[in-house]
Amino acid sequence: DSGVTQTPKHLITATGQRVTLRCSPRSGDLSVYWYQQSLDQGLQFLIQYYNGEERAKGNILERFSAQQFPDLHSELNLSSLELGDSALYFCASSVVGGTGVEAFFGQGTRLTVV
Amino acid sequence: LAKTTQPISMDSYEGQEVNITCSHNNIATNDYITWYQQFPSQGPRFIIQGYKTKVTNEVASLFIPADRKSSTLSLPRVSLSDTAVYYCLVGVYRDDKIIFGKGTRLHILP
Repeated sequence: DSGVTQTPKHLITATGQRVTLRCSPRSGDLSVYWYQQSLDQGLQFLIQYYNGEERAKGNILERFSAQQFPDLHSELNLSSLELGDSALYFCASSVVGGTGVEAFFGQGTRLTVV
Repeated sequence: LAKTTQPISMDSYEGQEVNITCSHNNIATNDYITWYQQFPSQGPRFIIQGYKTKVTNEVASLFIPADRKSSTLSLPRVSLSDTAVYYCLVGVYRDDKIIFGKGTRLHILP
C-alpha cells in the first residue's frame, strides 16, 4: 500500500460527459502528480500541484483540468469525454524534502468511455 | 530530468540474475538515479535510488560507475512475478516534472 488513495477505482461513462477523479496523497506529501496511461502506452504526465499551486504542466488537454485543495487532496476533471480518453489515470505524491525522484503512486482509476 | 536510454525489452528465465542498464550521459551533479517497477494495470512502484557506487535493498541492487553516465539495475534470482516494466529516471524531483520514458519491458520465462 503506497498510502495514496484514488477514487473511484472504475468509472464507465458516455461520450460527452464529465467526470471527476479524486486523489488523496500520502500524509505530509505536498506534491501531487497526475498521469494518463492508455492501453499498452507509456505514462503521460498531465499536471503537477505543489501545496495548492500548479507547478508543472504536461500534455494535458484543454478539456481536462485539475486542482489541489487546502487539505492537499486533488481532483482531476475530465469533460466532453471522447472514446480516446479511455485510460488508466494515476495520481502520485512525492516526499517532501526528499532527494531524487521519489513518487508514490495510487492504484489508479480506470476510465472507460462508451 | 536528464534524458535516459534503456532497452525496450528483455527476456530472462526464472532463477537468473537480470541486469538492466540505463544510459544518462547528461546527468547533472546533483541528480539522483531512481528506478521504478510497474506491473500491468498498477501504478509504478519505487524500487531503488542511488547517487554513486552501489546501493542494495531487499528488492534489487543499483550499480553506478564513477562517471555516473550509466547505471545498472540488478535483480537477483528473478521469478515469474518480476515480469514488469522497469523505468529509469534521473533528476531531482523538486522542480521537475516526473517524466517517465518507455521503460524496459522485462519478461521472465519459466
